[in-house]
Amino acid sequence: QLQLQESGPGLVKPPETLSLTCSVSGGSIYMSAYYWAWIRQAPGKGLEWIGNIYHSGSTSYNPSLKSRVSMSVDTSKNQFSLRLTSVTVADTAVYYCARQNYYEEGDYWGQGTLVIVSS
Amino acid sequence: SYVLTQPPSESVAPGETARITCEGNNIGSKSVHWYQQKPGQAPVLVISYDKDRPSGIPERFSGSNSGNTATLTISRVEAGDEADYYCQVWDSRPDCVVFGGGTKLTVL
Repeated sequence: QLQLQESGPGLVKPPETLSLTCSVSGGSIYMSAYYWAWIRQAPGKGLEWIGNIYHSGSTSYNPSLKSRVSMSVDTSKNQFSLRLTSVTVADTAVYYCARQNYYEEGDYWGQGTLVIVSS
Repeated sequence: SYVLTQPPSESVAPGETARITCEGNNIGSKSVHWYQQKPGQAPVLVISYDKDRPSGIPERFSGSNSGNTATLTISRVEAGDEADYYCQVWDSRPDCVVFGGGTKLTVL
């Protein structure tokens, strides 16, 4: 059974950089046709897709966040990562990682990690 | 950018049928995916590609998509179905995943 687990600091000061890692177990990050995504959810709000990455390193980002987002993949560790620069309080959210079938459905999700942006 | 509109809330009595809509311009030309999210939990995929149920999802969950509206239907609603439901599509211009605002389903 595929499992994903987010990790990283729970508190980030503005305007620093938010960095999270998603560890994948029970399957390889090399799975063909599957992309690895980050999605966030501000408190009491809906879901927002941040972007995704393929095992080759090819990325796609939400245009609304594109200028501040970067993603990377470490195939040796079966992990992928998110960096979000110049954070503000508006970036406070639960951040989820997920396996995504190209740009379609997200079928496996991590449990999510709360990141609070506060000075 | 592409916009998906969901009603903020729906209410249904146990045993009845709940219908949650997701509206978007010509959404019938896209594949729609539906997620169930209970408080404090990650979203769970309940319908993919308009009407396919992933393994482990009860047959009570079904979906349809035509024209400008996609619909998630939950038959014989149970108390455990109370949750937030989100629709999602892929907008290819530019490549971006879009979620609806979510619908809170209350079981009376």
